[in-house]
Amino acid sequence: KQEVTQIPAALSVPEGENLVLNCSFTDSAIYNLQWFRQDPGKGLTSLLLIQSSQREQTSGRLNASLDKSSGRSTLYIAASQPGDSATYLCAVGSGAGSYQLTFGKGTKLSVIP
Amino acid sequence: KAGVTQTPRYLIKTRGQQVTLSCSPISGHRSVSWYQQTPGQGLQFLFEYFSETQRNKGNFPGRFSGRQFSNSRSEMNVSTLELGDSALYLCASSLAIGARDLIYQYYNEQFFGPGTRLTVL
Repeated sequence: KQEVTQIPAALSVPEGENLVLNCSFTDSAIYNLQWFRQDPGKGLTSLLLIQSSQREQTSGRLNASLDKSSGRSTLYIAASQPGDSATYLCAVGSGAGSYQLTFGKGTKLSVIP
Repeated sequence: KAGVTQTPRYLIKTRGQQVTLSCSPISGHRSVSWYQQTPGQGLQFLFEYFSETQRNKGNFPGRFSGRQFSNSRSEMNVSTLELGDSALYLCASSLAIGARDLIYQYYNEQFFGPGTRLTVL
């Protein structure tokens, strides 16, 4: 059974700082990995998708890496802004003969002005 | 291009009742998945539909069911509601296309709707 862990559970940083969010998964037989952002009471906003054959993806100030063999992914946020405050979720797409996203519990990020 | 839409956005029901939630995927998307989000369990997979067929189901009791229509719109139904069914129900859609359409490693990005907040009293 795939399990996804995100560390830390919460993070508070001053505006402008660079930061790294961590995600680990137990089964390396994955199809892809997706990072999401969730604002309170809202749905999920897709940030980055990394296929299993890729090592990293970049979008603006965001960079996500994937090391499938070690079961790890990181989300790097450069020059953080107060608008980045949200919960960040890591989800692994996997399954034997099927497909589903398995989510971590998330990292709640607060960027202090 | 319109995103994933879910209706209704909020629902209040009592124990024992049943409820139907609706999801309209992004135009052209053929796969629809449903997830339940609770503070204790986080996000958990319910089921996935593609071309009106349920292809995968999570570890939920039979009270949770769903279906997909020919236009890719999907509904999920929960019968005999329990207090523990109170949650945010999220629907996601994806293109699900690639060189080999039915091979999951070519799955595209999942796009989520705003969710339906269900409260069971």
